Amino acid sequence: AQSVSQHNHHVILSEAASLELGCNYSYGGTVNLFWYVQYPGQHLQLLLKYFSGDPLVKGIKGFEAEFIKSKFSFNLRKPSVQWSDTAEYFCAGLVTGRRALTFGSGTRLQVQP
Amino acid sequence: ETGVTQSPTHLIKTRGQQVTLRCSSQSGHNTVSWYQQALGQGPQFIFQYYREEENGRGNFPPRFSGLQFPNYSSELNVNALELDDSALYLCASSRTEQETQYFGPGTRLLVL
Repeated sequence: AQSVSQHNHHVILSEAASLELGCNYSYGGTVNLFWYVQYPGQHLQLLLKYFSGDPLVKGIKGFEAEFIKSKFSFNLRKPSVQWSDTAEYFCAGLVTGRRALTFGSGTRLQVQP
Repeated sequence: ETGVTQSPTHLIKTRGQQVTLRCSSQSGHNTVSWYQQALGQGPQFIFQYYREEENGRGNFPPRFSGLQFPNYSSELNVNALELDDSALYLCASSRTEQETQYFGPGTRLLVL
């Protein structure tokens, strides 16, 4: 069965700290991977996506993620977080030929000033 | 370019009632997908519409149904509402079935 796992449910960091949020997927075929962010009171927004090619993808607001096929992982990173990064982050996967995005349960990031 | 819009923003219904939620897709997008997001969880896929036909369905009962119109806007209908249907309902549109999905602000449904 297709699944996406996010093991960090709640992360608290101070401003300027580095961030890494874990995402692991379980799929039988070729998969496209996404990170979405949901800021307080706002809708889900696309941070970045991986379809193919360079496994290191860069997104908006200084975020990046690395697709490691051997580890079935797509971790999100940012070298220095800001208070405005406080939000809920969702990893999602879409198997080629399927219709449904499968989401992880989300990681709530709280950045303290 | 107009993004995905949804209406209404909030809705309160009682158990057993029926509800219709609406979604307008982003300009240039012909595919609409619907998701249910329960509190504290990630969105769960309900179904997708492409060219006015249901194009894929998640693990939701038949009382969840939908429509897509020629202008690619869409409706989600839920009959015989249950308390567990209380959730945020998200609509997402994409250029085709396999491309990136862009989400609307959602409709928060409360069933009493």
